[in-house]
Amino acid sequence: QQQVKQSPQSLIVQKGGISIINCAYENTAFDYFPWYQQFPGKGPALLIAIRPDVSEKKEGRFTISFNKSAKQFSLHIMDSQPGDSATYFCAATLNSGGSNYKLTFGKGTLLTVNP
Amino acid sequence: GAGVSQSPSNKVTEKGKDVELRCDPISGHTALYWYRQSLGQGLEFLIYFQGNSAPDKSGLPSDRFSAERTGGSVSTLTIQRTQQEDSAVYLCASSPGSGSQNTEAFFGQGTRLTVV
Repeated sequence: QQQVKQSPQSLIVQKGGISIINCAYENTAFDYFPWYQQFPGKGPALLIAIRPDVSEKKEGRFTISFNKSAKQFSLHIMDSQPGDSATYFCAATLNSGGSNYKLTFGKGTLLTVNP
Repeated sequence: GAGVSQSPSNKVTEKGKDVELRCDPISGHTALYWYRQSLGQGLEFLIYFQGNSAPDKSGLPSDRFSAERTGGSVSTLTIQRTQQEDSAVYLCASSPGSGSQNTEAFFGQGTRLTVV
């Protein structure tokens, strides 16, 4: 059972455009939703994360939009740059109650930003 | 070290041989994950260790795969009788212990395993 579904599998955007990657989750108990960025030959690294008490979080050109009722969240990359070309993974976990739970990852989106 | 360290970075082995992959997590991190990533594919969960709790082995693809974590620190992933389909990058990640602010997973660079 895939608990976090990510789409699209790949995405091509022109420089300056907006990149949008979507994720949907099934476990309503999830309460922490990070996005990871992975460059070729490297391990994934945390990019931005959100908790369900807010509907949006913005850090620079990266924004997470969160829709609790729809159990969906998305990553928006504004003014996309060729340097943003990477694989992006969404993830979810249950993190309340002082315990650390396993991160469940989506399958990833390969983003290519053309110059 | 400052980050998660994995060794070796690359491993070429003959089909049927056993291999051991090592992960040194960030000091003090109680959670440790192993993932497998085939070329151009997503992250396939293998196993999760959290403190002294029994590990979540639900992602191990067959009984040829096993992992242990000694003293709550270093972890070893062992693949017995390797097959060509085991060729992939094996990623290890660790994260801090309990606490609502401590879920970030820090990944190592991975071990690229090639079975010939």
